[in-house]
Amino acid sequence: DTEVTQTPKHLVMGMTNKKSLKCEQHMGHRAMYWYKQKAKKPPELMFVYSYEKLSINESVPSRFSPECPNSSLLNLHLHALQPEDSALYLCASSSIEYNEQFFGPGTRLTVL
Amino acid sequence: QKEVEQNSGPLSVPEGAIASLNCTYSDRVSQSFFWYRQYSGKSPELIMSIYSNGDKEDGRFTAQLNKASQYVSLLIRDSQPSDSATYLCAVNGGGATNKLIFGTGTLLAVQP
Repeated sequence: DTEVTQTPKHLVMGMTNKKSLKCEQHMGHRAMYWYKQKAKKPPELMFVYSYEKLSINESVPSRFSPECPNSSLLNLHLHALQPEDSALYLCASSSIEYNEQFFGPGTRLTVL
Repeated sequence: QKEVEQNSGPLSVPEGAIASLNCTYSDRVSQSFFWYRQYSGKSPELIMSIYSNGDKEDGRFTAQLNKASQYVSLLIRDSQPSDSATYLCAVNGGGATNKLIFGTGTLLAVQP
């Protein structure tokens, strides 16, 4: 299985809502990533988990809270977001050794 | 600041021609280089990885790496309208991290 899945595909939330994005991979990868992508821009790294531990946090605001419950799952908890947080949120996974990152289909987030 | 640079395009080529996409990077210690294809509204798809100097071919795609010149390219032979997409160059950030540095992408338009 060479697929990374993400749910939901689309999410609309108000600034006071709490929601979560979910990501799952069954490729045996031990590194997982969250990216944010705005239109016509490259993906922007948010968080990296290696062996289920947070290894990189790119100074992301605390309204974004990542969680890695096990080696196959990655969550991104959202709270009190701003309209400028509207974007495509991408999950990716890779082996530790080769860093070929495979992306999921993304969650299109709109904050009203 | 580690940088990856690409011409934003659009690069317009006729159907059946060779499309040549170029990328330069600033960090000499980079060891891994990737090309992603991204269709509008979709997530990035890994199409080529290259780790050593020279050429690597996969079907209609050839990646070329020259570490001395800090240059990596992607050639697409027999270009098809379905190849029209944004092509993202990504470089491993070096060191003990799994961080990829993305270029801004080149928009390729293949004209029927």
